[in-house]
Amino acid sequence: GEDVEQSLFLSVREGDSSVINCTYTDSSSTYLYWYKQEPGAGLQLLTYNFSNMDMKQDQRLTVLLNKKDKHLSLRIADTQTGDSAIYFCAERDGNTDKLIFGTGTRLQVFP
Amino acid sequence: DARVTQTPRDKVTEMGQEVTMRCQPILGHNTVFWYRQTMMQGLELLAYFRNRAPLDDSGMPKDRFSAEMPDATLATLKIQPSEPRDSAVYFCASAPGGSEAFFGQGTRLTVV
Repeated sequence: GEDVEQSLFLSVREGDSSVINCTYTDSSSTYLYWYKQEPGAGLQLLTYNFSNMDMKQDQRLTVLLNKKDKHLSLRIADTQTGDSAIYFCAERDGNTDKLIFGTGTRLQVFP
Repeated sequence: DARVTQTPRDKVTEMGQEVTMRCQPILGHNTVFWYRQTMMQGLELLAYFRNRAPLDDSGMPKDRFSAEMPDATLATLKIQPSEPRDSAVYFCASAPGGSEAFFGQGTRLTVV
């Protein structure tokens, strides 16, 4: 079955880069997602990948996919205090459309 | 600005009462998901629909929870009777076929 794993916490200094990692297990995944959740808010879609795309960049965000190892990472360059949030990795089964989330990584940015 | 709309935003109810949460998916999106978020369990998939037909509701306690899509513009999640352990934030998300999934702001349910 599907399973998405993430580390629970990450703490970085303002201005440094943050790298949030995720591993997934479903071999038929077609789409992989990163969402951001700020306190008391819903989930904001940051980026999504087709599982055949190795890299995607959007301003400060870079997503890297290692399909062989089923490993997805989200890099935030020049991390700001406004980036403090929970970041969720998710995979969507290409056959069933089922969308499964990891536990979320709480990113804390300190000055 | 297209968005997923959930109502109510907050609901406090007494144990044993019926609770109905509503979701209006983005127009044209044919897949709708219901999730429950708690500190202990994280984001759990309760049920999801494609073209209004339920595809999987195995994440839902069947004895008290029910999910329906009366039409393409409305999805409902009902709990009857509600229990304190149902207290959580319930999210709805919608997606067009095979693409991004967008979330509503959630319904915060407190059962006392």
